[in-house]
Amino acid sequence: KQEVTQIPAALSVPEGENLVLNCSFTDSAIYNLQWFRQDPGKGLTSLLLIQSSQREQTSGRLNASLDKSSGRSTLYIAASQPGDSATYLCAVIHAGGTSYGKLTFGQGTILTVHP
Amino acid sequence: DVKVTQSSRYLVKRTGEKVFLECVQDMDHENMFWYRQDPGLGLRLIYFSYDVKMKEKGDIPEGYSVSREKKERFSLILESASTNQTSMYLCASRPTGGRGYTFGSGTRLTVV
Repeated sequence: KQEVTQIPAALSVPEGENLVLNCSFTDSAIYNLQWFRQDPGKGLTSLLLIQSSQREQTSGRLNASLDKSSGRSTLYIAASQPGDSATYLCAVIHAGGTSYGKLTFGQGTILTVHP
Repeated sequence: DVKVTQSSRYLVKRTGEKVFLECVQDMDHENMFWYRQDPGLGLRLIYFSYDVKMKEKGDIPEGYSVSREKKERFSLILESASTNQTSMYLCASRPTGGRGYTFGSGTRLTVV
């Protein structure tokens, strides 16, 4: 059974810092990996999607990497801002079997960026 | 941009009521999903659908049913609402063939 773990569970940083959020998964047979952001009481906003054949994706100040063989992904946020404060969720999309196309989520990293 | 629209942001219902949560997507996605999210338990899959009139049970289908009469609409039905169904409900859609998920803004349901 696929398990997804995110470290750290919570992170508090001053504005302007570069930071790294970590995600690990136990089964490397994944289709894609997707990073989401969730603000309190709101839905999930997709940040980056990495196909299994890709190594990284970038969008603005965000960069996500994927090492499928070691079961790891990182989300790098450059020059953090208070508006980046949210919960960040990593999710893997299953590649095959009865779980094909389904998502398994990590428990999330709660990020607080203070001015 | 793909939009997934959930009809209600907040709902308060009484125990025993039949409750309908509606979800509509505007990008012709084949696959649609219903999740619930609870503190400490994360997101859990209730039901999903790969095509019109098709439905598959997820990890926690008990107490729920779904309807997909049109490709763009996926409804979650609580046949007889109970207090343990108080939760945040999230709808999502995904095209077949490699693209990611798009989620709606969520419905916070309280059953009293």
